[in-house]
Amino acid sequence: GENVEQHPSTLSVQEGDSAVIKCTYSDSASNYFPWYKQELGKRPQLIIDIRSNVGEKKDQRIAVTLNKTAKHFSLHITETQPEDSAVYFCAATPSGNTPLVFGKGTRLSVIA
Amino acid sequence: DTGVSQDPRHKITKRGQNVTFRCDPISEHNRLYWYRQTLGQGPEFLTYFQNEAQLEKSRLLSDRFSAERPKGSFSTLEIQRTEQGDSAMYLCASSLQGNNSPLHFGNGTRLTVT
Repeated sequence: GENVEQHPSTLSVQEGDSAVIKCTYSDSASNYFPWYKQELGKRPQLIIDIRSNVGEKKDQRIAVTLNKTAKHFSLHITETQPEDSAVYFCAATPSGNTPLVFGKGTRLSVIA
Repeated sequence: DTGVSQDPRHKITKRGQNVTFRCDPISEHNRLYWYRQTLGQGPEFLTYFQNEAQLEKSRLLSDRFSAERPKGSFSTLEIQRTEQGDSAMYLCASSLQGNNSPLHFGNGTRLTVT
């Protein structure tokens, strides 16, 4: 089955700096890679996703890149703000009928 | 609010008791998922339904756990003879059928077994 590894587990950045979170996956059949943000005491919320036919996707200050050969994908947040502080989870799924497998999360702290 | 709703938000129970949680998905979503999340971990898949059919169960789901979705709308997750190791946040999510439709999560039910 799929296994998703996520690094780092914690990340602190100064406000305005960029943050990068990396994930690797094991199943080469995986073709869908979403990222979720979970604020303290709240539900995980989808912030961006990428499919395996695309190498990069951007939405305002967040972007995701995918390297299928190396089986890794990354979340990039630019111009970080205090409200970006949260736990971020990557996930992968081999097909539309296989449930998402999540990484263990990265706790991002943006220091004002 | 037309999102995924879960009830109760919190449940404290004594070891050995049975508990039941409810999830109401987004109305047009025919897929419903149950995940479990412990502190410092990502959500772990438990089981999922497409309409009323339970399509997959994780090895994490012991025989003390049972889930139903009798009419293809709301779902219940029952844990029998609870153990302290069952303490966790139980998250429900729903999605449309189809390749890689995004999951929409509820706020979860936090279970504490004393």
